[in-house]
Amino acid sequence: GAGVSQTPSNKVTEKGKYVELRCDPISGHTALYWYRQSLGQGPEFLIYFQGTGAADDSGLPNDRFFAVRPEGSVSTLKIQRTERGDSAVYLCASSLGPTFEQYFGPGTRLTVT
Amino acid sequence: ILNVEQSPQSLHVQEGDSTNFTCSFPSSNFYALHWYRWETAKSPEALFVMTLNGDEKKKGRISATLNTKEGYSYLYIKGSQPEDSATYLCAFIPSTGANNLFFGTGTRLTVIP
Repeated sequence: GAGVSQTPSNKVTEKGKYVELRCDPISGHTALYWYRQSLGQGPEFLIYFQGTGAADDSGLPNDRFFAVRPEGSVSTLKIQRTERGDSAVYLCASSLGPTFEQYFGPGTRLTVT
Repeated sequence: ILNVEQSPQSLHVQEGDSTNFTCSFPSSNFYALHWYRWETAKSPEALFVMTLNGDEKKKGRISATLNTKEGYSYLYIKGSQPEDSATYLCAFIPSTGANNLFFGTGTRLTVIP
């Protein structure tokens, strides 16, 4: 079956612009996670959805970052007023629940110039 | 922020050699430990989810052990092959809110043909 997909695969934007990153999870997976990986680091947790609601958004770095999952499936990570420090690979993962293995998408590489 | 450490950071082995690396995590408040393999240009792929002290899991030539009392897990690869070349990530879930994975920085394995 289809895995987790993310679009776009690469995004280059200018400092100050707004970007949206999309994640399509595996059908039936109620749990969805966003992570950010900077060079030389492991993935860093951003936000976790259980169904439509953000069950844990403690990893979002500041109020420029926001994510939605309105119908409990596709999720969009939104970054306002992008900064060069936002440049990273943004990974999405889905699972059957918090204690199950997570299935990752290929990531979106965001470059802020 | 929970401290999850992996060692070594990188490793080069000859094809056919067996190898192992370590993941250290907080021994208190343990819930689960995940191992992932991340090949370049691909998505992280789940290897194991481990929950019980003394757990040993095996998938082909790869196996893992877990010691929750002392806070470490070992990943073993027997008879390394070039296709095993990847970054191996461990991720810890604490019992205080099992919502997200705390990743280590990974061990980058290169198997030389």
